[in-house]
Amino acid sequence: NAGVTQTPKFRILKIGQSMTLQCTQDMNHNYMYWYRQDPGMGLKLIYYSVGAGITDKGEVPNGYNVSRSTTEDFPLRLELAAPSQTSVYFCASILATGGLLYSGYTFGSGTRLTVV
Amino acid sequence: GENVEQHPSTLSVQEGDSAVIKCTYSDSASNYFPWYKQELGKRPQLIIDIRSNVGEKKDQRIAVTLNKTAKHFSLHITETQPEDSAVYFCGSGSARQLTFGSGTQLTVLP
Repeated sequence: NAGVTQTPKFRILKIGQSMTLQCTQDMNHNYMYWYRQDPGMGLKLIYYSVGAGITDKGEVPNGYNVSRSTTEDFPLRLELAAPSQTSVYFCASILATGGLLYSGYTFGSGTRLTVV
Repeated sequence: GENVEQHPSTLSVQEGDSAVIKCTYSDSASNYFPWYKQELGKRPQLIIDIRSNVGEKKDQRIAVTLNKTAKHFSLHITETQPEDSAVYFCGSGSARQLTFGSGTQLTVLP
């Protein structure tokens, strides 16, 4: 049971490049999330998904896209990378039904992204 | 949307003393309030959580209290140890969305 796995751990992008951050969970959690954490700051919600085929915007979705084709995977796509997207990105998941959480949020180990 | 304020932003205590971190939230519909500990360069780890139908929860040296009327909740760490040094984040929301506070850097001085 690996929990929430994120790849890559580190990446440097040039302005205007694109990339996909991968997130996979093996806990059969139905809700998944992407957060970003800027230095010395809290976590900001980018996108979330309550199940396969369903995604919704969080607090800071601009410049990102997501998809959820399976229960296990929730990739985050950056198009046209900008320096403002330099951050640490965390994926998280929980098991929930009708708004009731059956577990706490489990976070991946993060992806440290630098845009130069 | 939900707004979460966390205080203080930094806290230094002597080993063995208690530490208290407070958070206020704005959305009265929020029903889940977790606390996370994050060590430098690591992922946030859940240390304790409380739901809106409970006023207090304790787990060994850690306790959380919730005042729904005043919309605030607090983390209490007793008998602090050097390994408690980390950044602590509160969260407020529900299964669908969780909003985090800006964090408290706790330093336990030996």
